Amino acid sequence: DIQMTQSPSSLSASVGDRVTITCRASQSISSYLNWYQQKPGKAPKLLIYAASSLQSGVPSRFSGSGSGTDFTLTISSLQPEDFATYYCQKSSSTPPWTFGQGTKVEIK
Amino acid sequence: EVQLAESGGGLVRPGGSLRLSCAASGFAVSNNYMSWVRQAPGKGLEWVSVIYSDGSTYYADSVKGRFTISRDNSKNTLYLQMTSLRAGDTAVYHCARDGFDSSGHDAFDIWGQGTMVTVSS
Repeated sequence: DIQMTQSPSSLSASVGDRVTITCRASQSISSYLNWYQQKPGKAPKLLIYAASSLQSGVPSRFSGSGSGTDFTLTISSLQPEDFATYYCQKSSSTPPWTFGQGTKVEIK
Repeated sequence: EVQLAESGGGLVRPGGSLRLSCAASGFAVSNNYMSWVRQAPGKGLEWVSVIYSDGSTYYADSVKGRFTISRDNSKNTLYLQMTSLRAGDTAVYHCARDGFDSSGHDAFDIWGQGTMVTVSS
């Protein structure tokens, strides 16, 4: 099975900072990569699908890039409501749908 | 409104069984790929099982042979029958819809709020 590795596992940042989270697949997954945001006690929320497509209703400060094995989620200007845990996920409609271990974004 | 609502969680003893339900509204479970995803306390997301629109089912190795996913089209509801439960199955269980865009890329675009399953003696 393909493994997904995120880095860092956590980071501290200030409001207004540019934040970058990376996700690496153990083998090429083309652009079959999604990003989710999860706040404590809540369900995950889809942010980015197909590596770089913004889900409807998601603010444009979120962006995704990459293909093959290396992917990036960028928050251009961190807002108070963005403090959360972010997960990447291998998609492709065939099991298993593997998630990265998560990156917790905390307030500095 | 498109939404999912899970129910059926609770406290169960090791070796016991439990059935989770996920009621859908605003779309048909039968026309979509539907998955269960769990999250152990303080841990990350783990995909558990999927049922395709054609009825095919798949499971994570950690639950294969113990869990069964199914659906009732007339009730527009997804289920997860869990047997031989272990402490390691303790988690919040979410159901999710696997939606597709026009180019064939999929993502879990609709999630339920989750139901807690605790396996303990």
